[in-house]
Amino acid sequence: DAGVIQSPRHEVTEMGQEVTLRCKPISGHDYLFWYRQTMMRGLELLIYFNNNVPIDDSGMPEDRFSAKMPNASFSTLKIQPSEPRDSAVYFCASSFDSRYGYTFGSGTRLTVV
Amino acid sequence: GESVGLHLPTLSVQEGDNSIINCAYSNSASDYFIWYKQESGKGPQFIIDIRSNMDKRQGQRVTVLLNKTVKHLSLQIAATQPGDSAVYFCADCSGNTPLVFGKGTRLSVIA
Repeated sequence: DAGVIQSPRHEVTEMGQEVTLRCKPISGHDYLFWYRQTMMRGLELLIYFNNNVPIDDSGMPEDRFSAKMPNASFSTLKIQPSEPRDSAVYFCASSFDSRYGYTFGSGTRLTVV
Repeated sequence: GESVGLHLPTLSVQEGDNSIINCAYSNSASDYFIWYKQESGKGPQFIIDIRSNMDKRQGQRVTVLLNKTVKHLSLQIAATQPGDSAVYFCADCSGNTPLVFGKGTRLSVIA
């Protein structure tokens, strides 16, 4: 297995634009997590899915953020409109359990100018 | 999950020396912990885990110690190498909620 695959690796966009981050989890993993990492706040959980269903989105900062998982092999995190404070590294992880066995992707470094 | 804190945000160690990274947790009922290593440009990766029925667990050059009395765990890296330079996270994996990570401890190895 190629692991968790995220795209793009880097994204630079202008404030106000829509940004879509993509994630392909490991086949067979029932859980998918979206995390955001910044120097100030560390690694924060944004939302997670179990069997394609969103379970907890309380970490999503505001309505500008949305996440979907249309099938077991694909998830998106969308920011619309983007703001400079959204600049961070966004990680996707998948697992067979909600607590352990996480495999992280390489992340998407988002810069909003 | 319960919040997990780290004592030192940065640690500089001479190559060849031993490193100790500390972590405190708040939930006395916590029973399972994992240490993750995050290298530059990568996501966190599993290093070693420990359950509460153990005080110590050893891997290759790494040892995790768990002190349930004071709710503290540590990660010890023997003969630290440049490749050990990374950010290290401890995660409380108790309960049934996703992992909560702290800011991590940055380990810098001085050649």
